[in-house]
Amino acid sequence: GAGVSQSPSNKVTEKGKDVELRCDPISGHTALYWYRQSLGQGLEFLIYFQGNSAPDKSGLPSDRFSAERTGGSVSTLTIQRTQQEDSAVYLCASTQGHGNTEAFFGQGTRLTVV
Amino acid sequence: AQSVTQPDIHITVSEGASLELRCNYSYGATPYLFWYVQSPGQGLQLLLKYFSGDTLVQGIKGFEAEFKRSQSSFNLRKPSVHWSDAAEYFCAVAPGGYQKVTFGTGTKLQVIP
Repeated sequence: GAGVSQSPSNKVTEKGKDVELRCDPISGHTALYWYRQSLGQGLEFLIYFQGNSAPDKSGLPSDRFSAERTGGSVSTLTIQRTQQEDSAVYLCASTQGHGNTEAFFGQGTRLTVV
Repeated sequence: AQSVTQPDIHITVSEGASLELRCNYSYGATPYLFWYVQSPGQGLQLLLKYFSGDTLVQGIKGFEAEFKRSQSSFNLRKPSVHWSDAAEYFCAVAPGGYQKVTFGTGTKLQVIP
C-alpha cells in the first residue's frame, strides 16, 4: 500500500474485554514495530518483527499483550483483559529492514478503556 | 544494545529564536541516526538522517543536525523557530544490518509568540 495503515483509528472498550489492533505495513517492508504512546509520554517500544526471525518481544509490558505477524505482512496486536492503564495510542511502523532505512509510521489506534 | 537519551522532556522557545534539541546515544560503533517529528494529531515524519560522511546534515523544514562522535551526540538545530514547529521530536538510532531501531522518549517543543 501507499503507507502504513492501522485499524481501527479509534477503539473504546470496557475494562476486562480483549481488543485486537491491526497494522498493514508498506508492501515489501520486512521490519514491523509496535509502539505505545500514552498521554504526554514518549514512544514506548512494544515488539519488533524482522523477516522470518523470532520477534523481539522485550517491550511487551505484561503477558496480556501479544502480537503476531502473518505471512510477513499484516500484524495484529492483541490486548487481553484490558485495563484502564492500557489506554493510549498504539503506533505501528515498518521499514525495509536494514538499519539505514526510514521508518514509516501509521496514524495510530487510539484505545480508550472505560 | 544501543540506547538513546533525549535529556529534555519539554522545551519552550520564543518564535524567531534559535533551537537546539539534544540527543545522546550509546553504541559501540557509529550507528545510523535519525530525527523524527510528530506534529499534534499527526504521525511521525522523518526530518533528517545521518549515515556517514559530512557530519552536518540538512533536513526538511529548515532543520539540521550535527553528528559528534566524540560526544556521542546528534543534536537537532534550527536557527529561527516558527510557531508551526511546535511538535514532539524523537531521536532514533540504528546499528548496521537488520537490527532494531531504537527511539528516544521524545522532546516536546512549545513555541510562544
